[in-house]
Amino acid sequence: GAVVSQHPSRVICKSGTSVKIECRSLDFQATTMFWYRQFPKQSLMLMATSNEGSKATYEQGVEKDKFLINHASLTLSTLTVTSAHPEDSSFYICSTGQDTEAFFGQGTRLTVV
Amino acid sequence: GQNIDQPTEMTATEGAIVQINCTYQTSGFNGLFWYQQHAGEAPTFLSYNVLDGLEEKGRFSSFLSRSKGYSYLLLKELQMKDSASYLCAVRDSNYQLIWGAGTKLIIKP
Repeated sequence: GAVVSQHPSRVICKSGTSVKIECRSLDFQATTMFWYRQFPKQSLMLMATSNEGSKATYEQGVEKDKFLINHASLTLSTLTVTSAHPEDSSFYICSTGQDTEAFFGQGTRLTVV
Repeated sequence: GQNIDQPTEMTATEGAIVQINCTYQTSGFNGLFWYQQHAGEAPTFLSYNVLDGLEEKGRFSSFLSRSKGYSYLLLKELQMKDSASYLCAVRDSNYQLIWGAGTKLIIKP
């Protein structure tokens, strides 16, 4: 099956700084990439959907100027958390998929101090 | 609105069988997924149902009834490593995944 490589797996940053998370599709042309956020003991919450070569579609309540998504190629999508605050600390996961299965990156544990 | 319901937590004994139910109300239906997620890790794929009936894969089986908006995941011969959260997700008419909150399964010796 398709493999999605997500980096970094863990990151600690200072409040006010920016963090970039990368997701690479290793053997699959990811036309669409979904970005999720998961708080402890909660389910996955879709933040945005990115399509290669076009602007991302953000879910209601997600600030597009804070969570910058770039999907410049069929194998790479990035999420940049700008001016991070402690409340942005969460588990961020990317996902792409074929018809019968969604493939997930390994996830990024972001801690903002 | 769209809604996926599954129990918050279940407890079962090692070696036994457990059934985790999932009911859904979504705008359209293009398949139902079950994922396993250990704490701090990404979900891993367990099963996919798009037609009514039972899909069996080793110790895990998944059942779907589209008319009832209902699915279950059946885990047999439970092992301690099966302690995890089990997420039910439905793909709607826009091909977006709608996720349940997950069922935390606790396995006791």
